[in-house]
Amino acid sequence: DTEVTQTPKHLVMGMTNKKSLKCEQHMGHRAMYWYKQKAKKPPELMFVYSYEKLSINESVPSRFSPECPNSSLLNLHLHALQPEDSALYLCASSLTWGLQETQYFGPGTRLLVL
Amino acid sequence: QQQVKQSPQSLIVQKGGISIINCAYENTAFDYFPWYQQFPGKGPALLIAIRPDVSEKKEGRFTISFNKSAKQFSLHIMDSQPGDSATYFCAASSRYYQLIWGAGTKLIIKP
Repeated sequence: DTEVTQTPKHLVMGMTNKKSLKCEQHMGHRAMYWYKQKAKKPPELMFVYSYEKLSINESVPSRFSPECPNSSLLNLHLHALQPEDSALYLCASSLTWGLQETQYFGPGTRLLVL
Repeated sequence: QQQVKQSPQSLIVQKGGISIINCAYENTAFDYFPWYQQFPGKGPALLIAIRPDVSEKKEGRFTISFNKSAKQFSLHIMDSQPGDSATYFCAASSRYYQLIWGAGTKLIIKP
């Protein structure tokens, strides 16, 4: 099974709301990623977790807060977002971080901030 | 120096034709070059990847050609089918470095 699942598929939130995105994989992967993708653009890396520890934070604003509760789960907590944060948020996983193994992507959560 | 330049931005090919997408990089430390395919409403999926120790890699109708001296690599899709219509991203990385993505090519295969 090479599936990465993400919930919800769609999310509409106001600028004062708090919401969370969830990602799950059961492939035994020890690296998990959050990407942001705007329309007609490539994915932009936000965070990398390796063995449940945050390894990379690409200078993401603090209104995005990642969490890795265990090796299978990855959350992205959202608070006080701006309309320009509207995008497709993709989760990915790979066997390990840094050894150029295949990244498996989920279908994404399409976020609209009003 | 970290950029990967991808062309064309969009491409229309007749069914059965050859689709060619090109990428160029600057960082000579890059040693892993994957191509990802993304359908609307889906996440990207790895299509094929190459390392610089080979000049060509073929998987079915998909071939990567790699020119180390020119710092260029390309994706060829033979006998293109309507089901190949998608956005294609090239990327590059070195160990313990994130993927650097090209801008993407929207490919349309006309029946």
